[in-house]
Amino acid sequence: QQQVKQSPQSLIVQKGGISIINCAYENTAFDYFPWYQQFPGKGPALLIAIRPDVSEKKEGRFTISFNKSAKQFSLHIMDSQPGDSATYFCAASGPMDSSYKLIFGSGTRLLVRP
Amino acid sequence: ETGVTQSPTHLIKTRGQQVTLRCSSQSGHNTVSWYQQALGQGPQFIFQYYREEENGRGNFPPRFSGLQFPNYSSELNVNALELDDSALYLCASSLDRYNEQFFGPGTRLTVL
Repeated sequence: QQQVKQSPQSLIVQKGGISIINCAYENTAFDYFPWYQQFPGKGPALLIAIRPDVSEKKEGRFTISFNKSAKQFSLHIMDSQPGDSATYFCAASGPMDSSYKLIFGSGTRLLVRP
Repeated sequence: ETGVTQSPTHLIKTRGQQVTLRCSSQSGHNTVSWYQQALGQGPQFIFQYYREEENGRGNFPPRFSGLQFPNYSSELNVNALELDDSALYLCASSLDRYNEQFFGPGTRLTVL
């Protein structure tokens, strides 16, 4: 129940295209859903996050869509650029215990071709 | 404002040895969480420290231990190293237990 399932494992998109990464969760106690971007040899960087009281959040070219009834959320990268090539992780957190630990998906390796 | 820093960057140890990894939290943050990221996988929660006390622990054996100091910096100690401990160890700091977590660059540990 604490897993977060992420797909696809890898994604190749042409420059200017839309990249879409999907995640699904089971635990309805989750109430915070961040996306992290990680470049090789670096730590994950917080990209954008959403809480279940809204169905969509947009920051620049990055949009999270959230479907509470389906227990799914997705990251859309509009006008994808070669500099967006990285591994993306979805995560979920909630008051399961006092730590609000992050539970991560398995990651999606995105390659944006010039 | 300084971000989260970790030291050392890389470390090579042999099986059975002990290692200490260090993390300096972002200014004003009182919570530090540690994660282990094996190659090609997502980070796994080890434990969290909040105001110098352990505040939650993941599914890791007792040979993984930690400490948080009054300035909220933190250490991760691993005893009796095993080959499977080879991973990127990430530290994340947050303003409080429930706030966004910001990660440091990680320490790459190789156990031979």
